[in-house]
Amino acid sequence: AQSVTQLDSQVPVFEEAPVELRCNYSSSVSVYLFWYVQYPNQGLQLLLKYLSGSTLVKGINGFEAEFNKSQTSFHLRKPSVHISDTAEYFCAVTPANQAGTALIFGKGTTLSVSS
Amino acid sequence: DTGVSQDPRHKITKRGQNVTFRCDPISEHNRLYWYRQTLGQGPEFLTYFQNEAQLEKSRLLSDRFSAERPKGSFSTLEIQRTEQGDSAMYLCASSSRVSGSRGEQYFGPGTRLTVT
Repeated sequence: AQSVTQLDSQVPVFEEAPVELRCNYSSSVSVYLFWYVQYPNQGLQLLLKYLSGSTLVKGINGFEAEFNKSQTSFHLRKPSVHISDTAEYFCAVTPANQAGTALIFGKGTTLSVSS
Repeated sequence: DTGVSQDPRHKITKRGQNVTFRCDPISEHNRLYWYRQTLGQGPEFLTYFQNEAQLEKSRLLSDRFSAERPKGSFSTLEIQRTEQGDSAMYLCASSSRVSGSRGEQYFGPGTRLTVT
């Protein structure tokens, strides 16, 4: 079975500061990894994904994430945040050999950007 | 491509009543998923369909829950004899053969259920 741990439930930052949202996962098989963003009263939007290859993946809105197999981590970063980045962020995994079945999500990290 | 749509967006019901939610996936998407999200938690998988076949059900899907996708297009999720613990956001997602092979799922806006 797979599990996801998002290490910070809330991350407050000032506008234009860098941010890192941390995600660790547990799995005995290879996984695909995802970050989703959820704005208030909206569904989840895919930010980026790691399937294979380069461990640094770039997504929408200036976000990027780095896959670290030895540390079983997939941390999300942005060099300079905007007020509009305030949202809930979810890390998710799915077994690579069962892609297309359930996504397993972490509990989420609330990013609050203030001026 | 109009995205995944869900109806209603909000539902308030009294304990013991039955409720039904509808999800319309992105056109041509063959897989459809249901998740439940409670306050302060990430989405939890409930069930998914490939075309009209229900391929997997979570242990969270008690006997009071039933989901259908009769023609392989829209899906309904029914909760019978609702309980206060059923209060949550119910999310629907869909994927195509291509996006599904990469594990990607596209989510709708959700239906927020409040049981009083």
